[in-house]
Amino acid sequence: AQSVTQLGSHVSVSEGALVLLRCNYSSSVPPYLFWYVQYPNQGLQLLLKYTSAATLVKGINGFEAEFKKSETSFHLTKPSAHMSDAAEYFCAVSDRVGGTSYGKLTFGQGTILTVHP
Amino acid sequence: EAGVTQFPSHSVIEKGQTVTLRCDPISGHDNLYWYRRVMGKEIKFLLHFVKESKQDESGMPNNRFLAERTGGTYSTLKVQPAELEDSGVYFCASSQVGSGVAKNIQYFGAGTRLSVL
Repeated sequence: AQSVTQLGSHVSVSEGALVLLRCNYSSSVPPYLFWYVQYPNQGLQLLLKYTSAATLVKGINGFEAEFKKSETSFHLTKPSAHMSDAAEYFCAVSDRVGGTSYGKLTFGQGTILTVHP
Repeated sequence: EAGVTQFPSHSVIEKGQTVTLRCDPISGHDNLYWYRRVMGKEIKFLLHFVKESKQDESGMPNNRFLAERTGGTYSTLKVQPAELEDSGVYFCASSQVGSGVAKNIQYFGAGTRLSVL
């Protein structure tokens, strides 16, 4: 069974500082990995996805993540935090079902990012 | 284009009552997923429809939960009778069917917050 671990349920950074949100996964086959963000009172929005095309994936709002197979990690980073980045972030993994259709997502516990002025 | 819409946004009911949650997926999306997040826990998969057929219902907690998707459009999730442990946020997501992970990105609704008293 797949599992996802996000280290740190809360991360606090100053505006302009580096953001690093950690995600480790376990999967018996090469996974497909995602980062979602949830702003208050909104649904989950896709930040970026890993599809095996490139290990460094760039997403929206200046975020990027690097897939490291040897470490089974997919950490999310942003060089300079902005106040608007305050939200909850979820790492998720899915596998392929039936050849072309992707199945359920398995989520990590979520990390709440707080950005201080 | 309208996103995934969920009704109601909040529901407060008493133990033993019945509640029906509705999800309207993005038009043309044949995949529809239900997830649940109990407070303090990770988002967990409940079930997956492809059109009107249940592809995977391995996450449904028990037979008090009934999901339907008549006609392959909107879906309902009924809890009858509701118990205290059913409280949480219920998310719906939809995606296209086709090859490639890009086509299978899951788009989420804002969720229904269910409180069972």
